[in-house]
Amino acid sequence: QKEVEQNSGPLSVPEGAIASLNCTYSDRVSQSFFWYRQYSGKSPELIMSIYSNGDKEDGRFTAQLNKASQYVSLLIRDSQPSDSATYLCAVKRGDSNSGYALNFGKGTSLLVTP
Amino acid sequence: DGGITQSPKYLFRKEGQNVTLSCEQNLNHDAMYWYRQDPGQGLRLIYYSQIVNDFQKGDIAEGYSVSREKKESFPLTVTSAQKNPTAFYLCASLAVGFSNQPQHFGDGTRLSIL
Repeated sequence: QKEVEQNSGPLSVPEGAIASLNCTYSDRVSQSFFWYRQYSGKSPELIMSIYSNGDKEDGRFTAQLNKASQYVSLLIRDSQPSDSATYLCAVKRGDSNSGYALNFGKGTSLLVTP
Repeated sequence: DGGITQSPKYLFRKEGQNVTLSCEQNLNHDAMYWYRQDPGQGLRLIYYSQIVNDFQKGDIAEGYSVSREKKESFPLTVTSAQKNPTAFYLCASLAVGFSNQPQHFGDGTRLSIL
C-alpha cells in the first residue's frame, strides 16, 4: 500500500505565529492532494486542495506541492487557538482501479497557545 | 441542504452480533466510501462503490460487508468476524465525473464493544 507520512506532533505554536505542517507520499502517480482538519471527536473537514506544483493560497492557509520531491505542506499564518486540531494529509490514489479513494497520513496534532 | 448523513452517532455491539451502520447522501454522487479511524491513526479504506450494485474491497475489508442497492445509500455491516470493531467509522462520497475533487465526509459513527 502506498504510504503517506506525517509527523504526529504535537506541534505547539504561539498565537499569531506561522504553523508549518509537512507530508510526504510514496505514490508517484498521485495527482490530487488534500488537507483536512479534524477536531477531537469530529469528522474531517476539507480545508485545502492542491493539484499543481507550487503554492496555493486561501485566506490564512497556503498549501505547497512539490511532486518531484513527493512533498506537500500546509502553512497556517496568524495561527489562532481555534486552529488547534489534528491536520490530516490525504493523497488521491493514482491507479485507475482504486475508485479514486484516498490514502491518509496519521495526522499532525497542532496546538496554538494564547 | 445537500450532504451525507450517517446514523447512528454511537453504536454498541455485543459479542457475536452483526451491526449495520447507515450512510445516505443526497448529493447525487456516484462513488461512496467507508473508512475506519482508530485513535491516533489516519483513515483506512474498508470498501468503496463507484456504481449501484457494484462495490470493491478496500485495504481492510475482512469482517465487513456492504451493499449498494440505491445510489443514495451505502450501508456497512460489521460482522462478528471483525474481532476488533471499536473505531470511528466515516462514510464519504464523490461525483465520479469530478474524480480529482475531494471527498466529503459524514459526521461518523462511533462503534464500541459492550
